[in-house]
Amino acid sequence: AQSVTQPDIHITVSEGASLELRCNYSYGATPYLFWYVQSPGQGLQLLLKYFSGDTLVQGIKGFEAEFKRSQSSFNLRKPSVHWSDAAEYFCAVHRMQGTYKYIFGTGTRLKVLA
Amino acid sequence: NAGVMQNPRHLVRRRGQEARLRCSPMKGHSHVYWYRQLPEEGLKFMVYLQKENIIDESGMPKERFSAEFPKEGPSILRIQQVVRGDSAAYFCASSTQEGTQYFGPGTRLLVL
Repeated sequence: AQSVTQPDIHITVSEGASLELRCNYSYGATPYLFWYVQSPGQGLQLLLKYFSGDTLVQGIKGFEAEFKRSQSSFNLRKPSVHWSDAAEYFCAVHRMQGTYKYIFGTGTRLKVLA
Repeated sequence: NAGVMQNPRHLVRRRGQEARLRCSPMKGHSHVYWYRQLPEEGLKFMVYLQKENIIDESGMPKERFSAEFPKEGPSILRIQQVVRGDSAAYFCASSTQEGTQYFGPGTRLLVL
């Protein structure tokens, strides 16, 4: 079955520290991959996406993610976290063809310590 | 360019009433998706529509829930005879054929 796993439910980092949020997927074919961020009570904002090409993709707010086919992973990284990055982060996939419905991970809630 | 619009932002209903959630996609987007987010959970796909057509409703509960995206006007997610378990945040997203989805702010439904 198709699935997306975000192994870390909660992560706490100090402001200025580096960040890596993990995402693993199980899919029958090469998927399209996305990271979204959700602040409390808000909708989801697209951070970045991977369709094809360079496996290291740059997004907004200083985030980047690397697609590793051999590990079925699409981990999100940021070199230096800011207090405003505290939010919930969701990894999502959809198939390259057919229905475009997303399958989401359960999310990782990021807490940033001053 | 306005983003995805959803209204109302908050909706309170008593058990047995009907809830109607509206979604206006981004300009130029003809694909609409509805997702449900239960407290402390991720988003679950409900239905995918294009104008006047339901493309994929594999995530819709078999009873009480329906969705439409008419030729004119917003997409509507309708929940009949609401129960407490329907309390959740409902998000609409839209896309072009390219497939990247842009989300609205959500409608928070509370069933008393």
